[in-house]
Amino acid sequence: NAGVTQTPKFQVLKTGQSMTLQCAQDMNHNSMYWYRQDPGMGLRLIYYSASEGTTDKGEVPNGYNVSRLNKREFSLRLESAAPSQTSVYFCASREGPTSIYEQYFGPGTRLTVT
Amino acid sequence: EDQVTQSPEALRLQEGESSSLNCSYTVSGLRGLFWYRQDPGKGPEFLFTLYSAGEEKEKERLKATLTKKESFLHITAPKPEDSATYLCAVQAEEYGNKLVFGAGTILRVKS
Repeated sequence: NAGVTQTPKFQVLKTGQSMTLQCAQDMNHNSMYWYRQDPGMGLRLIYYSASEGTTDKGEVPNGYNVSRLNKREFSLRLESAAPSQTSVYFCASREGPTSIYEQYFGPGTRLTVT
Repeated sequence: EDQVTQSPEALRLQEGESSSLNCSYTVSGLRGLFWYRQDPGKGPEFLFTLYSAGEEKEKERLKATLTKKESFLHITAPKPEDSATYLCAVQAEEYGNKLVFGAGTILRVKS
């Protein structure tokens, strides 16, 4: 099992450009999450999908959109990138939204917006 | 006010020098507390889940404990390979069962 995979690993964008971060999991998990990690601030939830067909905003959703393409895949889109979106982005999955099971994380995407 | 606070922010230890990391939380209706390890340039890796006060879990040189308002990650006789950032996160009913993470403790173990 690959677990949680993310593409790309690195990306540099110019202000105003758009891009989509891809995430896939092969653990048959129902719930998927997108976080950003900034120095000194820990992981902050951007959007999540409790189950296939549903998405909800997290703590810092502004400037982002998501799509739960199917049970395996959950993408994050930046429509018009801003320097404040320079960060490391992690995708995670878990068995279910109310389960008290751990989340499994992908390797991250390092995004720089100039 | 931060709901999850980790201390210290950074910790330097000599190999073999035991110590503890702290994670304090102010949430109500705690359902679980999670510890993760994160190596530079990688995603967080799950270590432990604690569900109720008094619970303890161990893995190699690591031991996690939980009280009603905080958790400790005890590191016994650490080795350089234990160097990493340690994150804690809480799952609570007041957050709709989403995880809330602390900022982490950066641990460096020197040989």
